[in-house]
Amino acid sequence: NAGVTQTPKFQVLKTGQSMTLQCAQDMNHEYMSWYRQDPGMGLRLIHYSVGAGITDQGEVPNGYNVSRSTTEDFPLRLLSAAPSQTSVYFCASSYTTGGEQYFGPGTRLTVT
Amino acid sequence: KQEVTQIPAALSVPEGENLVLNCSFTDSAIYNLQWFRQDPGKGLTSLLLIQSSQREQTSGRLNASLDKSSGRSTLYIAASQPGDSATYLCAPKENFGNEKLTFGTGTRLTIIP
Repeated sequence: NAGVTQTPKFQVLKTGQSMTLQCAQDMNHEYMSWYRQDPGMGLRLIHYSVGAGITDQGEVPNGYNVSRSTTEDFPLRLLSAAPSQTSVYFCASSYTTGGEQYFGPGTRLTVT
Repeated sequence: KQEVTQIPAALSVPEGENLVLNCSFTDSAIYNLQWFRQDPGKGLTSLLLIQSSQREQTSGRLNASLDKSSGRSTLYIAASQPGDSATYLCAPKENFGNEKLTFGTGTRLTIIP
């Protein structure tokens, strides 16, 4: 199993551009989520999904959209990038409620 | 709102020593608590998951304890090695269905050869 994969590893955007961060898992996990990690702060939940077709907002959802059309994929869309969205983004998944969560390697995003 | 504190923020110890990392959280209504390590520029690697009904969980040289009522967890590392150098994060999970983990800023551990 590849586990949780994320692409790209690095990305530089200009303010106002849009892009999609990709996340995929091959473990048949129902639960997937997106976090962002900023210096001096803990990881914060952006959006999560409890299964295909079901998504909900986390702690810091503004400026981000998600959809979950398959069990395997959970892309994160930045609609109009802002410098405040410069961060490292992590995708995570777990098999069951309260199960162990597995994280991807992250995407480092810089918005200029 | 759950808040997680990990003290100290940084710790340096000689190789071979046993050490304890501390984690405290403000809301004791948790479902479980997970410990992770993060190497510089990398993702999070799960170390241990301890359920709210458990007191301890062990994996190799690692032992995690949980005192839910007092809002504390510790990670004990036995016979530390240079490869243990990393940032260690604890993350309690809320007692709801959103799978949200709340993270502190971690303890950066350096093992001196």
